[in-house]
Amino acid sequence: GAVVSQHPSRVICKSGTSVKIECRSLDFQATTMFWYRQFPKQSLMLMATSNEGSKATYEQGVEKDKFLINHASLTLSTLTVTSAHPEDSSFYICSARDLGTYNEKLFFGSGTQLSVL
Amino acid sequence: DAKTTQPNSMESNEEEPVHLPCNHSTISGTDYIHWYRQLPSQGPEYVIHGLTSNVNNRMASLAIAEDRKSSTLILHRATLRDAAVYYCILPSGNTPLVFGKGTRLSVIA
Repeated sequence: GAVVSQHPSRVICKSGTSVKIECRSLDFQATTMFWYRQFPKQSLMLMATSNEGSKATYEQGVEKDKFLINHASLTLSTLTVTSAHPEDSSFYICSARDLGTYNEKLFFGSGTQLSVL
Repeated sequence: DAKTTQPNSMESNEEEPVHLPCNHSTISGTDYIHWYRQLPSQGPEYVIHGLTSNVNNRMASLAIAEDRKSSTLILHRATLRDAAVYYCILPSGNTPLVFGKGTRLSVIA
């Protein structure tokens, strides 16, 4: 079945450094990918919609200069947390839907646990 | 997305059937009903979806009320690996999924 691969699964970094998270659709193409963030004991919150070949669309309250999204191909989207701070520590999850499907299921990555010291 | 209402938590004994309810009284005629679950420390995974008729797959069954204002996810024999948060979502077209709080299912051995 369709798989979304997300790397790394866990990252620990120092405050002020940048961290890149990759999201790949392994056997399907996706013009759109979605990035979520999840704090402990809370539900997933949509951060942004990543569009292949164009700018990402960010949800209200999400800083586009802090969370840089690049969707350079139909199978790869990246999220870079720039100048990370402890409050950015969270579980980040990407998802994608097979191109050409409508109202069909989303596939999710396994998530990236970011810990900023 | 149309609003859904689920119980915060449910408990089941291992190898017993589990019925997870979801109310969606404002559902429109074209809204599909999707169920996802999230195991601890993992991304969500698709469980099942349907429009009007009941649906079965290898993971679960989805029973949809005749008026479509509610649905029930049925796990026929709960295992410890089914302990997760289950989300009932009514996505709108190809927009991203909006997650509510879901139902946290605990399975007791």
